[in-house]
Amino acid sequence: DVKVTQSSRYLVKRTGEKVFLECVQDMDHENMFWYRQDPGLGLRLIYFSYDVKMKEKGDIPEGYSVSREKKERFSLILESASTNQTSMYLCASGARGGYTFGSGTRLTVV
Amino acid sequence: DAKTTQPPSMDCAEGRAANLPCNHSTISGNEYVYWYRQIHSQGPQYIIHGLKNNETNEMASLIITEDRKSSTLILPHATLRDTAVYYCIVRASLSNFGNEKLTFGTGTRLTIIP
Repeated sequence: DVKVTQSSRYLVKRTGEKVFLECVQDMDHENMFWYRQDPGLGLRLIYFSYDVKMKEKGDIPEGYSVSREKKERFSLILESASTNQTSMYLCASGARGGYTFGSGTRLTVV
Repeated sequence: DAKTTQPPSMDCAEGRAANLPCNHSTISGNEYVYWYRQIHSQGPQYIIHGLKNNETNEMASLIITEDRKSSTLILPHATLRDTAVYYCIVRASLSNFGNEKLTFGTGTRLTIIP
């Protein structure tokens, strides 16, 4: 089975901190994605990457950046965390719509 | 991107077939319909996808109307473990490289009643 591993299940950070969320997949997929999920809003795409060092903005990229230095790893970076970035963050990898998601990181910014 | 419309919630009795509808009236000819579900506190899980023919796998069946403007996901014998939020998604191509993204809506919250 494809495994998508997110480095932390729960994270608490202070406003203004730089935050790194890590995601690793073990199936050599080209495509990787970062979503955030908030009550009543469903999943919203932040960024995605279709190859090493390549990235594309999703629907809500503001306040975020990403890094894909290796095929298996896709990092989401909050340059200066704010309270409105408190959310569940989900990473996915795959191709042709058959994506596997990680278990999520619940980030709280205080 | 084709948008989808789903009822916000549905109930189904345990052991009965659960039929989850989805409207996607602006779907393009080369866009697939995907279904995912999300059980509480977990990441979404892929269920099934199709283009124009009906599809079946070990989890569910997907019925797509002939005009492709709507579809129905069928869980033939619903169990309590099928309680989840179900997302109907139309795959869109993005960027000049033809790569894709999945745009999730708010889905249908399906509750299986014992």
